[in-house]
Amino acid sequence: GDSVTQMEGPVTLSEEAFLTINCTYTATGYPSLFWYVQYPGEGLQLLLKATKADDKGSNKGFEATYRKETTSFHLEKGSVQVSDSAVYFCALSLNTGNQFYFGTGTSLTVIP
Amino acid sequence: DAGVIQSPRHEVTEMGQEVTLRCKPISGHNSLFWYRQTMMRGLELLIYFNNNVPIDDSGMPEDRFSAKMPNASFSTLKIQPSEPRDSAVYFCASSLTTGNTIYFGEGSWLTVV
Repeated sequence: GDSVTQMEGPVTLSEEAFLTINCTYTATGYPSLFWYVQYPGEGLQLLLKATKADDKGSNKGFEATYRKETTSFHLEKGSVQVSDSAVYFCALSLNTGNQFYFGTGTSLTVIP
Repeated sequence: DAGVIQSPRHEVTEMGQEVTLRCKPISGHNSLFWYRQTMMRGLELLIYFNNNVPIDDSGMPEDRFSAKMPNASFSTLKIQPSEPRDSAVYFCASSLTTGNTIYFGEGSWLTVV
């Protein structure tokens, strides 16, 4: 079935370090792919998305490229800040049926 | 623009009591989702509606849980009777079918003692 698998956490990085959070997907059709971020005590917020192969989503210094050949959508940021500490969720949506599939979330802590 | 609005933000109730969580989706959105988030099980989809009609309620844990969407601007999630294991954060979310981006509310933090 359709699903998303993302790397286990928690991840702890020093400020200005490079971040990669891996995400791979399984889908029967041609999904749209998303990264959501959840700050402590808040709901999930859309961080970025990509709707077709080779698209790159970007926001707030974060990037992810939709790779159909490797069925991946890895999240990257070149230099993390303490304010990036949050839980990150990879998700996919099929373009029919409007069903969303979320990964289990990866907790990121950035230390000064 | 107003986002998804949920109430109450926090609720503490005693075991056996009825709990009603409320949600107002973003105006114009025609899909509405209820999720539950716990440390043990992460984010779980409970039920989703399309054009006010329940499409998939397979995630509703048991008969104690029920959800309604009487119109396009309002939905409720009811737990009766509540149990301590229902303690969680309950999120409502909405989307446009064609837009494929889902927008979450701030959540209702439920504690059953």
